[in-house]
Amino acid sequence: AQKVTQAQTEISVVEKEDVTLDCVYETRDTTYYLFWYKQPPSGELVFLIRRNSFDEQNEISGRYSWNFQKSTSSFNFTITASQVVDSAVYFCALSEADTGFQKLVFGTGTRLLVSP
Amino acid sequence: KAGVTQTPRYLIKTRGQQVTLSCSPISGHRSVSWYQQTPGQGLQFLFEYFSETQRNKGNFPGRFSGRQFSNSRSEMNVSTLELGDSALYLCASSGSYNEQFFGPGTRLTVL
Repeated sequence: AQKVTQAQTEISVVEKEDVTLDCVYETRDTTYYLFWYKQPPSGELVFLIRRNSFDEQNEISGRYSWNFQKSTSSFNFTITASQVVDSAVYFCALSEADTGFQKLVFGTGTRLLVSP
Repeated sequence: KAGVTQTPRYLIKTRGQQVTLSCSPISGHRSVSWYQQTPGQGLQFLFEYFSETQRNKGNFPGRFSGRQFSNSRSEMNVSTLELGDSALYLCASSGSYNEQFFGPGTRLTVL
């Protein structure tokens, strides 16, 4: 069965600190996608990244970086030099080939609070 | 390119009533998915439509239904509303690359 676990419910940091959000997933499928979304207080889910199961290369986009490790079924997200605007709830999600990659299974989210 | 739009943004209904929510996907996107977000259950998949056909369905009772029109716009309907249906309903559209882009959501309150 597919499952996404975000064990960190809430993280508080001070601006400019680095922070890593953990994501562990379970799937029987060999072909799948992993996602990260940001949900600010407005409620809209903002797409951050998508990774397919065959691409374990780490990715960096500005202050954001992602570490995908199939050996540990993890897809962790690091924010470098955090800013107050990074405060939001972050969701990790998984989609599998058997649903045409259209059904996202979400983790419970990690609330990140960045204080000045 | 315009993003995903959802109407209305806020809705207040009473138990027993029915409600229809609307979603317009990104131009060119043919897949539309619906999700329910509640504090207790988190984000849960309702269903997905592609070319006017329901392709995937989550574990929700039959009171939750949807449809998609030829222009890819989608509606979801909840009949006989219950207090537990109070939630943020999010719509996502997807194109050729299976990236799902979400709309701002409709916040439904059932009294």
